[in-house]
Amino acid sequence: GAGVSQSPSNKVTEKGKDVELRCDPISGHTALYWYRQSLGQGLEFLIYFQGNSAPDKSGLPSDRFSAERTGGSVSTLTIQRTQQEDSAVYLCASTRDRGRGEQYFGPGTRLTVT
Amino acid sequence: AQRVTQPEKLLSVFKGAPVELKCNYSYSGSPELFWYVQYSRQRLQLLLRHISRESIKGFTADLNKGETSFHLKKPFAQEEDSAMYYCALNPPGGSYIPTFGRGTSLIVHP
Repeated sequence: GAGVSQSPSNKVTEKGKDVELRCDPISGHTALYWYRQSLGQGLEFLIYFQGNSAPDKSGLPSDRFSAERTGGSVSTLTIQRTQQEDSAVYLCASTRDRGRGEQYFGPGTRLTVT
Repeated sequence: AQRVTQPEKLLSVFKGAPVELKCNYSYSGSPELFWYVQYSRQRLQLLLRHISRESIKGFTADLNKGETSFHLKKPFAQEEDSAMYYCALNPPGGSYIPTFGRGTSLIVHP
């Protein structure tokens, strides 16, 4: 079946603008994660959704970052008033149940803030 | 708090040489451990997990609970092994947030 998809694949925005990044997980996967991948920094956890439970937002770096997941499926990560340090690849991953086992990653969105 | 350490940012070897990518973790229980790989212009994907005890693309990784290590090894590196490798830990209970190492870039020269 189809894997995790993300859009857009690339996004260039001006400092101060808002951006929305979209993730479509594998059908039936109840757990969804957002990560930020920066050169030399590895994968930085941002937020975790499990079914209809309240998300774990403990990794969000500032209140400019927010995310929602509608209907337990598609998720949107929003970054308000973007800064240059927000430039990175944003990865989405899903797992079958409660975050156990293998993570299935999307191709990522490369965000460049100019 | 759990932690995953990959001490090498970059590992450079010649084709046919043995390769070992190091991963050390700190966690008091019995976590799930994984190696993920990202080839150039491809998405991050699972390479292997410790519970399956399998060899994938010639790579193996043994969990050493005494040394809290999960090093990835291959006896004879190939050019197509050049990629970014991440070690990851899933805690067994409570938190469902995996911890990833910072990654090791493996370059295999011809």
